[in-house]
Amino acid sequence: EADIYQTPRYLVIGTGKKITLECSQTMGHDKMYWYQQDPGMELHLIHYSYGVNSTEKGDLSSESTVSRIRTEHFPLTLESARPSHTSQYLCASSEYQGSYNEQFFGPGTRLTVL
Amino acid sequence: RKEVEQDPGPFNVPEGATVAFNCTYSNSASQSFFWYRQDCRKEPKLLMSVYSSGNEDGRFTAQLNRASQYISLLIRDSKLSDSATYLCVVRVSGGYNKLIFGAGTRLAVHP
Repeated sequence: EADIYQTPRYLVIGTGKKITLECSQTMGHDKMYWYQQDPGMELHLIHYSYGVNSTEKGDLSSESTVSRIRTEHFPLTLESARPSHTSQYLCASSEYQGSYNEQFFGPGTRLTVL
Repeated sequence: RKEVEQDPGPFNVPEGATVAFNCTYSNSASQSFFWYRQDCRKEPKLLMSVYSSGNEDGRFTAQLNRASQYISLLIRDSKLSDSATYLCVVRVSGGYNKLIFGAGTRLAVHP
């Protein structure tokens, strides 16, 4: 079992609210990622981090922001949630080196914005 | 055109059947290749990496054809527990281990 955790698992919230999705891992991995996945669709990378104080935007444009103040923690924030943000958000981590290093995923947060 | 293309299925097969999934990728800078498994409403988990010479892990065999930019996964003697969505994943060159995911092929194994 991968030691990567996400909270909350499910979140239903009204438009305009600020939300933070938590992600933490205990494997000491330098690299962490946030993906967005709609039902039946592929995962899209929205943010990634090489390590502490390093964050970059991914391929899919997102209004969310991330921070990486500690190695083990990579929270994602939406300042003002909208119905278009309804999706599943998956956090992942991997070791730094190797072409075949595995990405380990957390269980995901299923977000619904009303 | 998507960077990684898969037949969405579903593939409905009886227990014991052999089933093959195909995947094509468009980015010639792709360096590493994987099959991930995703159960319904769960996170993806690595099933196996795919090496140039092809590789096998129990009932699962993966093949790679770089010239055709084509990856395959063969499952022999299907079990009910194999029912899931199988994601074809490629890693493109670059420093941050960027993975490109296919939308997945759904497999349903029935008794």
